[in-house]
Amino acid sequence: RKEVEQDPGPFNVPEGATVAFNCTYSNSASQSFFWYRQDCRKEPKLLMSVYSSGNEDGRFTAQLNRASQYISLLIRDSKLSDSATYLCVVNAEGNTPLVFGKGTRLSVIA
Amino acid sequence: NAGVTQTPKFQVLKTGQSMTLQCAQDMNHNSMYWYRQDPGMGLRLIYYSASEGTTDKGEVPNGYNVSRLNKREFSLRLESAAPSQTSVYFCASQEGYYEQYFGPGTRLTVT
Repeated sequence: RKEVEQDPGPFNVPEGATVAFNCTYSNSASQSFFWYRQDCRKEPKLLMSVYSSGNEDGRFTAQLNRASQYISLLIRDSKLSDSATYLCVVNAEGNTPLVFGKGTRLSVIA
Repeated sequence: NAGVTQTPKFQVLKTGQSMTLQCAQDMNHNSMYWYRQDPGMGLRLIYYSASEGTTDKGEVPNGYNVSRLNKREFSLRLESAAPSQTSVYFCASQEGYYEQYFGPGTRLTVT
């Protein structure tokens, strides 16, 4: 089983739609969880950290399910500018590097 | 506060040439990383440095060397470039269990 798995997509959704991405991780000792956004040919940028209690930032909601070892990202009222690749990122135990998923591609269509 | 900076932004090399990619961060982070990303692919870790004075291999270290010059700077060297090393190279820094911050990348083409 890969350490971090994501559906590569693409997810093609109309403007205003709600879209959700899931990501599973294999290391039950993982302690930190993040969603990054990467635009074409640009560097990944932090979208939001994911906390145990779940957290929301405007139209974006992230949730963590430790029992089932997955994290999710919900985007409401999708905008054209949300079109990007979304990377699920997990930090395993100890001083080990972050593990990046391969990303889920989202295209928001007018 | 520039965050993570990388030089050069673009580079074209001939097979067999050498070069060093430079990375610096001004956030006083202990950990620094080098990744490569091929078109349509995910990030792959080349080398990382968990703290000043230490370096470790990542997933794809062959053909590369690194130097953690001081806490701020982490360089990546290609001793004898090959076409398979054509890629975008990203440097990142991190503190503890917190998020990583990425530089803008170096686009390298080896002909």
